Amino acid sequence: DSGVTQTPKHLITATGQRVTLRCSPRSGDLSVYWYQQSLDQGLQFLIHYYNGEERAKGNILERFSAQQFPDLHSELNLSSLELGDSALYFCASSVVTGQYNEQFFGPGTRLTVL
Amino acid sequence: GNSVTQMEGPVTLSEEAFLTINCTYTATGYPSLFWYVQYPGEGLQLLLKATKADDKGSNKGFEATYRKETTSFHLEKGSVQVSDSAVYFCALLGGYNKLIFGAGTRLAVHP
Repeated sequence: DSGVTQTPKHLITATGQRVTLRCSPRSGDLSVYWYQQSLDQGLQFLIHYYNGEERAKGNILERFSAQQFPDLHSELNLSSLELGDSALYFCASSVVTGQYNEQFFGPGTRLTVL
Repeated sequence: GNSVTQMEGPVTLSEEAFLTINCTYTATGYPSLFWYVQYPGEGLQLLLKATKADDKGSNKGFEATYRKETTSFHLEKGSVQVSDSAVYFCALLGGYNKLIFGAGTRLAVHP
């Protein structure tokens, strides 16, 4: 158990819908990262938040957004869903940034868009 | 840009066989390198890491050495077990603290 929790574990929805994925980092970790794992794209970085502020964006679609709240939990919002958004979404957290950054991953949320 | 290339799987071995999974990287400078493991139905777990050239990361019998000359970070284990069956990801820490992953290598170990 990494200490990072994600809810829900599974999510099944239809095209055009909007969903919210939730992540609670390990106690004390200020950084939260979101990654997408899909069969065709592999594991890709989406976005990084540090103590409530956005720090970096990867290949995140404009239909996707995220935020980190004062209690440090984070939410990833996916809207106007398409079939290709079906994937496993991971959240990770770390206590520091930089060279010694060690990211701890949650169990993931499996999103299926029908 | 930064990238990671792993040997394609699946790799199928008998129990107690020697394991090597090749990983090479392209990067500016000398980024930290990692191996993560994903067991069936689970998230990613950090297996080992190395933060500078010639460092050797090790954990649970697995080892990998950061080789800047060959830009490689190959994963090795002397004697695999059935419980090692999983998908293994090589990764580097890129700019802005994002992990850049290889495609993953599936390992299947048979008794």
